[in-house]
Amino acid sequence: EDQVTQSPEALRLQEGESSSLNCSYTVSGLRGLFWYRQDPGKGPEFLFTLYSAGEEKEKERLKATLTKKESFLHITAPKPEDSATYLCAVQAGGSQGNLIFGKGTKLSVKP
Amino acid sequence: DSGVTQTPKHLITATGQRVTLRCSPRSGDLSVYWYQQSLDQGLQFLIQYYNGEERAKGNILERFSAQQFPDLHSELNLSSLELGDSALYFCASSEGQGRGYTFGSGTRLTVV
Repeated sequence: EDQVTQSPEALRLQEGESSSLNCSYTVSGLRGLFWYRQDPGKGPEFLFTLYSAGEEKEKERLKATLTKKESFLHITAPKPEDSATYLCAVQAGGSQGNLIFGKGTKLSVKP
Repeated sequence: DSGVTQTPKHLITATGQRVTLRCSPRSGDLSVYWYQQSLDQGLQFLIQYYNGEERAKGNILERFSAQQFPDLHSELNLSSLELGDSALYFCASSEGQGRGYTFGSGTRLTVV
């Protein structure tokens, strides 16, 4: 069964304290791994898509990496505005495009 | 504004009732996906339409149905509502398969 597990469930950081979020996945034929950011009461906002092991993508203080079994979202010198829930999702090889989401990591960055 | 429009934003209704949620995809996007998000389950895929045709079904209850119209907007119909159907319902759209997609801001459904 295709599944996505994110850890930790919640993470509290001080402003400037770098850390990483983990996304482990089991999927038959990975077509893509996606990272989204979700603020309370709002829709998920697209961050990155990774397609193959070894691929990396960056956007401001965020960097996503991919291996054959997991993905990491590295947050460098976070700011309070980075506080949100970060969602990881995979698209399986046999799917029509639907994504399988993890339950997310809730990040809080304190000033 | 993501370009995906969902209405209404909030809906409060009683058990046993029926409601319709509406989604207008981004201009040019042919695929529409519906997701349910509850506190303990996370985002769960319900159903996908592509250019008016149903393409995939996820964990969608028989009491729920959807359709996509010729102008590509989609509606999700929820009937015989139960307390457990209270959740955020999101619509997302994409150009096609194999790409990330854009979510709307959701409809918060409360069943009382």
